[in-house]
Amino acid sequence: GAVVSQHPSWVICKSGTSVKIECRSLDFQATTMFWYRQFPKQSLMLMATSNEGSKATYEQGVEKDKFLINHASLTLSTLTVTSAHPEDSSFYICSAREGGLETQYFGPGTRLLVL
Amino acid sequence: AQTVTQSQPEMSVQEAETVTLSCTYDTSESDYYLFWYKQPPSRQMILVIRQEAYKQQNATENRFSVNFQKAAKSFSLKISDSQLGDAAMYFCASGGGATNKLIFGTGTLLAVQP
Repeated sequence: GAVVSQHPSWVICKSGTSVKIECRSLDFQATTMFWYRQFPKQSLMLMATSNEGSKATYEQGVEKDKFLINHASLTLSTLTVTSAHPEDSSFYICSAREGGLETQYFGPGTRLLVL
Repeated sequence: AQTVTQSQPEMSVQEAETVTLSCTYDTSESDYYLFWYKQPPSRQMILVIRQEAYKQQNATENRFSVNFQKAAKSFSLKISDSQLGDAAMYFCASGGGATNKLIFGTGTLLAVQP
C-alpha cells in the first residue's frame, strides 16, 4: 500500500514554456501533499504544502506565481512551473500524507530540464 | 526552528557486516516523529523506519533498527547483515506539529563493499 505516482518522470522543455507535473496517491486519500526540489547530491528542499481544497502554503523564498500548485482532489496534486528557465532545471519530488497519519510517502520524482 | 544534522557524509561497510548511521536533531515540538528514508540511485525515496518520540522502545524493521536517545536528541540507524542493495543515500528526518513538515538532514551516502 501507500503508493504515490508522478507524471511525467522526465520532461525537457524550451525556456519560456510552462510544465505541469502530476502527483497521485494511488491507494489512499491524501489530505496533504508536499512538493520538494532536489539538486544533485543535495538534500530535499520543501517548496510548498498543499491541502485538498485550499491554497498551498509556500516556503520562504519560493515564488508562488512561478510554481503554481493545485490540490483539487484527495488523490491528485499538480505543480506547474510557469515560464520555465534553465535555472528551474531540477528534480522535483512530491509526497503525500493520509489523514492524521504522520508518514509521508514519496513519488518517484520528475526530472525537469529547461533548454 | 527544527534542525536535523547528519555528520557523516559518506560511510562504507562490508557485505554482511553491521553499520550505524548517526543523526541528531533539534525541535521545539512536544509531539514529533523521526524517520529514516533511503534514496537509491533511482532517486525514489523509500521509508526505512519511523519512530514516535513518545515511545521509549526503539523501532525495528527486520535488519534495520534505531537507537533513539530522546534526552540527547539522537536518532541513529543500525543496519545489520548489510546487503549490496542497501547501498544508497540515507536521509534522517523529523516531523510533527501542525504542518507536519519534514525537516531533512543532509544525508549519508552508504557504500556496501562485496
